[in-house]
Amino acid sequence: DAGVIQSPRHEVTEMGQEVTLRCKPISGHNSLFWYRQTMMRGLELLIYFNNNVPIDDSGMPEDRFSAKMPNASFSTLKIQPSEPRDSAVYFCASTNTGQANYGYTFGSGTRLTVV
Amino acid sequence: GDSVTQMEGPVTLSEEAFLTINCTYTATGYPSLFWYVQYPGEGLQLLLKATKADDKGSNKGFEATYRKETTSFHLEKGSVQVSDSAVYFCALRERGSYIPTFGRGTSLIVHP
Repeated sequence: DAGVIQSPRHEVTEMGQEVTLRCKPISGHNSLFWYRQTMMRGLELLIYFNNNVPIDDSGMPEDRFSAKMPNASFSTLKIQPSEPRDSAVYFCASTNTGQANYGYTFGSGTRLTVV
Repeated sequence: GDSVTQMEGPVTLSEEAFLTINCTYTATGYPSLFWYVQYPGEGLQLLLKATKADDKGSNKGFEATYRKETTSFHLEKGSVQVSDSAVYFCALRERGSYIPTFGRGTSLIVHP
């Protein structure tokens, strides 16, 4: 398996622009997580899907952030409009909660810079 | 709520030195415990795990023992290599929850 695939790896955009981050989870995994990592705040859970349904989005910072999972093999995280304080590394992770003692597989992340 | 506390880094060691990274946790139930490693420019990778008291997780020369009495899961390695330089995250997941709780991470730097 190719693992969790995220795109793009790097994104530089101007303040006010829309940004879309993409994630392809591991085939057969039924849960998907979006995280944000910064030096100041560490690793923050933004939203979590189970069987393509958003279960907990309490970590989404504000209405500028939205996430979708239209099918089991694809998810997007959108920021509109983007702001400099959104600069961070965004990770997608997936797992199969039907397995005993499951762990989480992370993608390589998208480094977002908003100027 | 649940929380994971790790020692602050960076931890700086010479090659072949002994490594300990401390991790303690607070949980309302009986969690599973994990160590993840993040190499530069990459995502987190599962390093090892333990699911019940006194279990020892091990992988790539790293070990950690689930100590319920001290609510700890310290990471150890007998002889570190330069290639072990990375950020290490301790994490827990309560039974019945899908969401892990991560510590802030501890940076390890190993010099030749």
